[in-house]
Amino acid sequence: DVVMTQTPVSLPVSLGGQASISCRSSQSLVHSNGNTYLHWYLQKPGQSPQLLIYRVSNRFSGVPDRFSGSGSGTDFTLKISRVEPEDLGDYYCLQSTHFPDTFGAGTKLELK
Amino acid sequence: QIQLVQSGPELKKPGESLKISCKASGYTFTDYAMQWVKQAPGKGLQYMGWINTQTGKPTYADDFKERFVFSLETSASTAYLQINNLKNEDTATYFCARIGLRRVGDYWGQGVMVTVSS
Repeated sequence: DVVMTQTPVSLPVSLGGQASISCRSSQSLVHSNGNTYLHWYLQKPGQSPQLLIYRVSNRFSGVPDRFSGSGSGTDFTLKISRVEPEDLGDYYCLQSTHFPDTFGAGTKLELK
Repeated sequence: QIQLVQSGPELKKPGESLKISCKASGYTFTDYAMQWVKQAPGKGLQYMGWINTQTGKPTYADDFKERFVFSLETSASTAYLQINNLKNEDTATYFCARIGLRRVGDYWGQGVMVTVSS
């Protein structure tokens, strides 16, 4: 299975500040069709995960432009600018290029 | 609007079975596959597999090939997860999620908390 290494485990931030989360895969996430199926979720306490970014850099419906994704191959980053209180929670990367889909272990975004 | 509504919490004993439901609304059920994800208490997300809602064919990740069954009731726009011979380590929240055209779970159910305890 593809191993997704997500860092950091915990990320203290100030409101209005910026956060950056890294996700590295144990093999390339470029599919034979040329697409890269790397996605990002936010899970708030007591809630189900909500899709933020799909296929590396595309914001899902309703996701503010403070969230941006980048990367290629095996190295990916989620950036959050101007952090707001509703951004706090657990962030997960997910690859769906190779079966089975695999998630990173998560990054807890919390107040400094 | 698109919604996935799952059944309520379950408390079971080891060795028992259970069946969780996931009812979809707001879209054509058979146009999108459905996946299942496990989250043990205080832990991360674990992909269990998916089911083709047009053919009913399930595909399981290795850890979920033995006691887990995905099924459908297409006429009711409902997907099911059955877990047989429950073990303590099955204690977790189980989520269903629609697999969107972008090959990712785009809409999720609220989750079902399953507790297995003697």
